[in-house]
Amino acid sequence: KNQVEQSPQSLIILEGKNCTLQCNYTVSPFSNLRWYKQDTGRGPVSLTIMTFSENTKSNGRYTATLDADTKQSSLHITASQLSDSASYICVVTFSGGYNKLIFGAGTRLAVHP
Amino acid sequence: EAGVAQSPRYKIIEKRQSVAFWCNPISGHATLYWYQQILGQGPKLLIQFQNNGVVDDSQLPKDRFSAERLKGVDSTLKIQPAKLEDSAVYLCASSKDRAENTGELFFGEGSRLTVL
Repeated sequence: KNQVEQSPQSLIILEGKNCTLQCNYTVSPFSNLRWYKQDTGRGPVSLTIMTFSENTKSNGRYTATLDADTKQSSLHITASQLSDSASYICVVTFSGGYNKLIFGAGTRLAVHP
Repeated sequence: EAGVAQSPRYKIIEKRQSVAFWCNPISGHATLYWYQQILGQGPKLLIQFQNNGVVDDSQLPKDRFSAERLKGVDSTLKIQPAKLEDSAVYLCASSKDRAENTGELFFGEGSRLTVL
């Protein structure tokens, strides 16, 4: 079954600290993997999109990595800010015959001063 | 460039009542999606339009949900009659081409529905 599992479910860190969010998936075949940031009460906003052949992609203080062999991705946030408090959603595109976006449940991050 | 517009932002209704949500995608975007996001979960696709044709509505509860995209631009999502479990945020998204083909997907702010 094509699934996307994210961990941890929630995370609390202090401002200025780094953190890493995990995304494991069983989607096969897949063509790309995306990370979205969703502020409370807002729609998701794209952070990164990586094709299956890419290993890493950065967007400011956000760096996503992808290991297509182990079907794992991570999102690393450097020098966290209060504005990083949000849910982070991993999305994998299933590409077996027809393409379909498969969403994870998200990791809820709270950055405290 | 204007983003995806949705209305209303909030709606509270009693069970068995009906409700309609409206979405105006980014100009020129051929593909439009409606997602249901229950608190603490990721978005779940309800229906996908390519221009004014339906691409995927396999997870749309057709006995109570309906959606249309007349003229391939604006779209409306209707629920009739509503159930308690329909309480969720309804997200509209659009993409220039089909987002699942690496196209960038843009979301609206969502319409939060509470069914009492």
